Amino acid sequence: GQQVMQIPQYQHVQEGEDFTTYCNSSTTLSNIQWYKQRPGGHPVFLIQLVKSGEVKKQKRLTFQFGEAKKNSSLHITATQTTDVGTYFCAGPKAAGNKLTFGGGTRVLVKP
Amino acid sequence: EPEVTQTPSHQVTQMGQEVILRCVPISNHLYFYWYRQILGQKVEFLVSFYNNEISEKSEIFDDQFSVERPDGSNFTLKIRSTKLEDSAMYFCASSTFNSNQPQHFGDGTRLSIL
Repeated sequence: GQQVMQIPQYQHVQEGEDFTTYCNSSTTLSNIQWYKQRPGGHPVFLIQLVKSGEVKKQKRLTFQFGEAKKNSSLHITATQTTDVGTYFCAGPKAAGNKLTFGGGTRVLVKP
Repeated sequence: EPEVTQTPSHQVTQMGQEVILRCVPISNHLYFYWYRQILGQKVEFLVSFYNNEISEKSEIFDDQFSVERPDGSNFTLKIRSTKLEDSAMYFCASSTFNSNQPQHFGDGTRLSIL
């Protein structure tokens, strides 16, 4: 079945530094969605990318969807303590199919 | 902003007992979902529901699980005979149409099986 992998599993970042987390699917995705889950919280939708090669920015967060629509990345610049949480990518194999979530990247920020 | 609400927030049940987890999706949403998250692990899809029937389910969603929309607002997940390995956080989510649309998650129900 479809598998979605994320690396790294854990990301320890010094406040103010940049980092990137990567998402790779075993199958082509119809779209890719990113969610953030704060400790003890629920997943919260961040963004959706649909087109091959698409890049979207949200303040300090930059999201990219690969040309083959099988991978994606999230780059955070000038990390802040508010960025703490687990970032999940998720995507359906085909439009309307179930969302398969990656294992998440748990981000810890050192002040 | 409208939100998905789930009750109870925590459910403790003896193994073998039945549990019903309840959710009120966002009112104008048409697709409803249940997910499971074992502590510290990824979010796992259980089932999606549209137009009063299951549209897709995972291999986890076996015969002990069932979903129902008993009225115009509630969406429930029933686990018939709970097992220790059913202990997890269960999230309900809803979206305007299907998995092409952002999904809005509730706060979850923590299910503990003793």
